[in-house]
Amino acid sequence: DTGVSQDPRHKITKRGQNVTFRCDPISEHNRLYWYRQTLGQGPEFLTYFQNEAQLEKSRLLSDRFSAERPKGSFSTLEIQRTEQGDSAMYLCASSLGQGVRGETQYFGPGTRLLVL
Amino acid sequence: DQQVKQNSPSLSVQEGRISILNCDYTNSMFDYFLWYKKYPAEGPTFLISISSIKDKNEDGRFTVFLNKSAKHLSLHIVPSQPGDSAVYFCAAEGDTGTASKLTFGTGTRLQVTL
Repeated sequence: DTGVSQDPRHKITKRGQNVTFRCDPISEHNRLYWYRQTLGQGPEFLTYFQNEAQLEKSRLLSDRFSAERPKGSFSTLEIQRTEQGDSAMYLCASSLGQGVRGETQYFGPGTRLLVL
Repeated sequence: DQQVKQNSPSLSVQEGRISILNCDYTNSMFDYFLWYKKYPAEGPTFLISISSIKDKNEDGRFTVFLNKSAKHLSLHIVPSQPGDSAVYFCAAEGDTGTASKLTFGTGTRLQVTL
């Protein structure tokens, strides 16, 4: 399967701990996005990369959040000093990145985070 | 501030009938609209899209209609099949200079009954 993969699929942590999630996009895709989805809501944009450059960060992304995409391949999303409000599904998506409007984003299965 | 709204959290339709899912938006800067389908334990899957310069786009059983003056779009599925049972998200693109940033609605859960 050459779709978007995310690891881990589930993570339970205690408040105050740090967590890191990984996303592997579709291999030829230049753009990589992170979204967060809470219960009863749609996905909310967090940040995106064009190759290795992080081009935009949402106001939802507090200083405790950091994302990287070294070498323009996989990406990591780290949350430091987790809070219960961080509990959500974290979705990664990728797209070709050709700059066309309405470019399809392909989503991974998500990482479900529960902060106790 | 919910810029993309799906006011029906759920919809139940009989197999073979038409399903109509609605979506409203408030930001006139949106210029592309997409529908995604999501099954449990999976990420959203792209279904169909429409540019703001069009009022209709069709792909097989799926048709999306856009009414710019009303800031309203709808997804029609006909005929509905049990496998269509999923959560459907409306998404919009273009409210900022960031290409491809999507703003999603809260979703409508469609159940197609036999």
